[in-house]
Amino acid sequence: GENVEQHPSTLSVQEGDSAVIKCTYSDSASNYFPWYKQELGKGSQLIIDIRSNVGEKKDQRIAVTLNKTAKHFSLHITETQPEDSAVYFCAASISGANSKLTFGKGITLSVRP
Amino acid sequence: DAGVIQSPRHEVTEMGQEVTLRCKPISGHNSLFWYRQTMMRGLELLIYFNNNVPIDDSGMPEDRFSAKMPNASFSTLKIQPSEPRDSAVYFCASSRGTPQPDTQYFGPGTRLTVL
Repeated sequence: GENVEQHPSTLSVQEGDSAVIKCTYSDSASNYFPWYKQELGKGSQLIIDIRSNVGEKKDQRIAVTLNKTAKHFSLHITETQPEDSAVYFCAASISGANSKLTFGKGITLSVRP
Repeated sequence: DAGVIQSPRHEVTEMGQEVTLRCKPISGHNSLFWYRQTMMRGLELLIYFNNNVPIDDSGMPEDRFSAKMPNASFSTLKIQPSEPRDSAVYFCASSRGTPQPDTQYFGPGTRLTVL
């Protein structure tokens, strides 16, 4: 089955700096890669996703890049703000009926004011 | 829409007791997922349903865990008997259930503590 790994497990950046979070996946058939943000005491929320037919996707301060050959994808957050502090989960899935997501273990991002 | 609703938000029980967690998915969503989150193992998929039918329960840790979805608007996850190692945050999520992978909407979670 699919195995998704995130590194590092924690990341601390200064407010205004950029943050990059990386994930690797094992199944080359995976073609959908979402990123979820979990704030303290809340459920995870989708912040951006990418499908395997594109290499990069942007949404304001957030971008995701995908390298299918190397089987890794990354979340980029520019101009970080304290409210970006949260746990970020990456996931991978294979298209098909009843597709399920395989999540990484999560990375805790801390933005220092 | 109120989003995915879970109850209770917190549950403290003693080892050996039965625990029932409840979930109401977003109206119109056809897929429902139960996850368990711990520091050690992260977010693990326990079971998911499509159109009220269990599709994959390979993540259910053992026979003490069972899940049902009697109708499109309600699901339960039951642990009987509970053990201290079951302490975790349990999330329910729902999605439209399209053939293509789709956004999953998570509930706020139930924090379970088994003493």
